[in-house]
Amino acid sequence: DSGVTQTPKHLITATGQRVTLRCSPRSGDLSVYWYQQSLDQGLQFLIQYYNGEERAKGNILERFSAQQFPDLHSELNLSSLELGDSALYFCASSAYTADTEAFFGQGTRLTVV
Amino acid sequence: AQTVTQSQPEMSVQEAETVTLSCTYDTSESDYYLFWYKQPPSRQMILVIRQEAYKQQNATENRFSVNFQKAAKSFSLKISDSQLGDAAMYFCAYRSPAYNTDKLIFGTGTRLQVFP
Repeated sequence: DSGVTQTPKHLITATGQRVTLRCSPRSGDLSVYWYQQSLDQGLQFLIQYYNGEERAKGNILERFSAQQFPDLHSELNLSSLELGDSALYFCASSAYTADTEAFFGQGTRLTVV
Repeated sequence: AQTVTQSQPEMSVQEAETVTLSCTYDTSESDYYLFWYKQPPSRQMILVIRQEAYKQQNATENRFSVNFQKAAKSFSLKISDSQLGDAAMYFCAYRSPAYNTDKLIFGTGTRLQVFP
């Protein structure tokens, strides 16, 4: 158990809909990272939050947004969903930006039909 | 920008044998961290081993070891005495310690099959 919790584990929704993925980092970890893994692909970095503030942005679509709350949990919001958004979405956390290790949650499998 | 390349989409090995997975990366930084992650069918990302660039000694974790060649920007993973449970996707990853750029950058992965 990595200590990073993601909910839900699975999500099936229709095109055009909006969903929210939730991540609770390890206790004490200030950084949260979101990654997208499409079928049999590598992990693509979406966005990073550090202690409530956006720290870095990757190839995140404008339809996607995220935030980190005062209790350090994070949410990834995906809107106007398309079939191509079907993927495994991972959250990872680390203690502070200089830390060498990031711990991953078990991922949320999103299926858009 | 940093990039990570894994040129072997698939590899196979027989149980108890040794296999080496390749990874190269591109960076202009002198200080950084390298990782190998394992992703079994459960899809969980599991850290296998890590290497700090300032350390000359290659990291080792039980049956897993790396060959870190900083000048060549190469970071291969050797799995000794392969077991059926080693079958998984393996991802090489790079991480900069610099502010605003400390995200993990992943390669495309190598699928490892282990045959009995």
